[in-house]
Amino acid sequence: NAGVTQTPKFQVLKTGQSMTLQCAQDMNHNSMYWYRQDPGMGLRLIYYSASEGTTDKGEVPNGYNVSRLNKREFSLRLESAAPSQTSVYFCASRGQGSANPYNQPQHFGDGTRLSIL
Amino acid sequence: AQSVSQHNHHVILSEAASLELGCNYSYGGTVNLFWYVQYPGQHLQLLLKYFSGDPLVKGIKGFEAEFIKSKFSFNLRKPSVQWSDTAEYFCAAGTGGSYIPTFGRGTSLIVHP
Repeated sequence: NAGVTQTPKFQVLKTGQSMTLQCAQDMNHNSMYWYRQDPGMGLRLIYYSASEGTTDKGEVPNGYNVSRLNKREFSLRLESAAPSQTSVYFCASRGQGSANPYNQPQHFGDGTRLSIL
Repeated sequence: AQSVSQHNHHVILSEAASLELGCNYSYGGTVNLFWYVQYPGQHLQLLLKYFSGDPLVKGIKGFEAEFIKSKFSFNLRKPSVQWSDTAEYFCAAGTGGSYIPTFGRGTSLIVHP
């Protein structure tokens, strides 16, 4: 009963390096999300995917790219890491519900703690 | 654009004290409301949600929240907190036809034993 699985849990990068954060869910959810969490800023949406085959920008997309590889997997890529991208990254998924997909809660992964030096 | 305000950024209580955390949202139409809790070092978990019906919603671990449409509020309450309630609490609101809920900045709750 894994839910949402994120890898890796911790990572340290040097400025300019690239990296892909992986996320997979086993709940057959349509929607998936990537957030970053910074002290005092709450959760800010980076990208989301309302369904397989679609992705859209969120509040803070600059410096990131995403791929919805299939219904289960949604990856986040940093092409050229910057110190400002030091953060905790959370992936979430959301089911469609039987009647109303919009009132379903999100399910979150355990997060990836990323430090960029 | 939708916004969610949590006015209490840090709350410190003693065990057995009562808790009320404020949450206000800006959208005037149909809204879906959520409270999530994040225990130290863990991921966010759903405490409770409201989308229709009885405006007083009961969630897990003795938490409840009241939806007051006229005040655009969805405050979280617990009659008697425990040390184990130490966590960060997030309010989120989604409009009726959106896949993207908006999160508040969170309230850090510390409960002293």
